[in-house]
Amino acid sequence: NAGVTQTPKFQVLKTGQSMTLQCAQDMNHNSMYWYRQDPGMGLRLIYYSASEGTTDKGEVPNGYNVSRLNKREFSLRLESAAPSQTSVYFCASSDVFQGNEKLFFGSGTQLSVL
Amino acid sequence: SQQGEEDPQALSIQEGENATMNCSYKTSINNLQWYRQNSGRGLVHLILIRSNEREKHSGRLRVTLDTSKKSSSLLITASRAADTASYFCANDTGGGNKLTFGTGTQLKVEL
Repeated sequence: NAGVTQTPKFQVLKTGQSMTLQCAQDMNHNSMYWYRQDPGMGLRLIYYSASEGTTDKGEVPNGYNVSRLNKREFSLRLESAAPSQTSVYFCASSDVFQGNEKLFFGSGTQLSVL
Repeated sequence: SQQGEEDPQALSIQEGENATMNCSYKTSINNLQWYRQNSGRGLVHLILIRSNEREKHSGRLRVTLDTSKKSSSLLITASRAADTASYFCANDTGGGNKLTFGTGTQLKVEL
């Protein structure tokens, strides 16, 4: 019963380094999302993928890229990390097409950019 | 910009008391959802209320929605120490289930 799995759980980067956050879901959901959570800001949508083969920008997409590798996997890439990208990143999935709008979240990746 | 704002930001109560959290939003919604987040964990869905519903119950949770005031409230009855967490409202404005989250209410239930 894994649900949504994110890796890694923790990461420290230097400014300018790149990295990819991985996310996989085993619930056969069509839609997947990447959010970031900052203190006092709630969660903000970075990118989402309504279905396999499609991606679209959310509220705060600058500095990020995504890949919907297949129906299960949705990765988030930081090409050149900046201190402003220090945050906790959450991946989520849902199955809107089946009338189930609730989001299932992973446990998060805590990223620090020095 | 944040679509949802929650009030209060923090709430401390005794076990057995009721806890009420409020959420306001800015634009028309398809549905409004409430999530719980325990410290250091991901968010967990609690309840969803659609724009044509006014009240919904799930166990000890009661959610109301007032679309004329663009507000919702979450009531947790007979609170327990295990209810200690942050609670977020989230709404879907444009379809596609791209939820916009509020800033959250930090609830502490003391023994």
